[in-house]
Amino acid sequence: NAGVTQTPKFRILKIGQSMTLQCAQDMNHNYMYWYRQDPGMGLKLIYYSVGAGITDKGEVPNGYNVSRSTTEDFPLRLELAAPSQTSVYFCASSYSGQANSPLHFGNGTRLTVT
Amino acid sequence: AQSVTQLDSHVSVSEGTPVLLRCNYSSSYSPSLFWYVQHPNKGLQLLLKYTSAATLVKGINGFEAEFKKSETSFHLTKPSAHMSDAAEYFCVVSDAGNQFYFGTGTSLTVIP
Repeated sequence: NAGVTQTPKFRILKIGQSMTLQCAQDMNHNYMYWYRQDPGMGLKLIYYSVGAGITDKGEVPNGYNVSRSTTEDFPLRLELAAPSQTSVYFCASSYSGQANSPLHFGNGTRLTVT
Repeated sequence: AQSVTQLDSHVSVSEGTPVLLRCNYSSSYSPSLFWYVQHPNKGLQLLLKYTSAATLVKGINGFEAEFKKSETSFHLTKPSAHMSDAAEYFCVVSDAGNQFYFGTGTSLTVIP
């Protein structure tokens, strides 16, 4: 049981390049989330999904896209990288069928756009 | 609407002294409350969660939190700080729709 797995751990992009941050969970959680964390700013929700085939915008979705074709996977796509997207990205999952179900986090992807 | 306010952005304590990290919440529902810890360059780890079974919640590594509905607070405490407790701590509230709302974090420094 690996929990939530994110790849890659680190990435440097040039402005205008694109990439996909991968996220997979093996806990059969129906909810999955992408957050970004900037220094001193806490976590901000980018996108979330309540199940396969269903995604919705969070607080800061501009510049990102997501898909959820399976319960396990929730990739985050950056199409035209900008310096403002330099951040640490966390994927998380939770289970809606249990009251007080917490978020389970991956170890993060540290992205630098130069 | 749900929201969380962590009242201190930085807390410094000496090793062996008590820790108090303060959190106030706003919730339209009976809230689900959590504390997470993040060590440098690491992911977020669940410390404890409020389940409504008891107002005093025990977590990992000797941490506790007390739910006080009248004060809308969920402060995190530990009787004796250890050097390994130095980290960023986040108070989180969730709603019935599995949406989670984060505080801005409290950075805990432990002085040897």
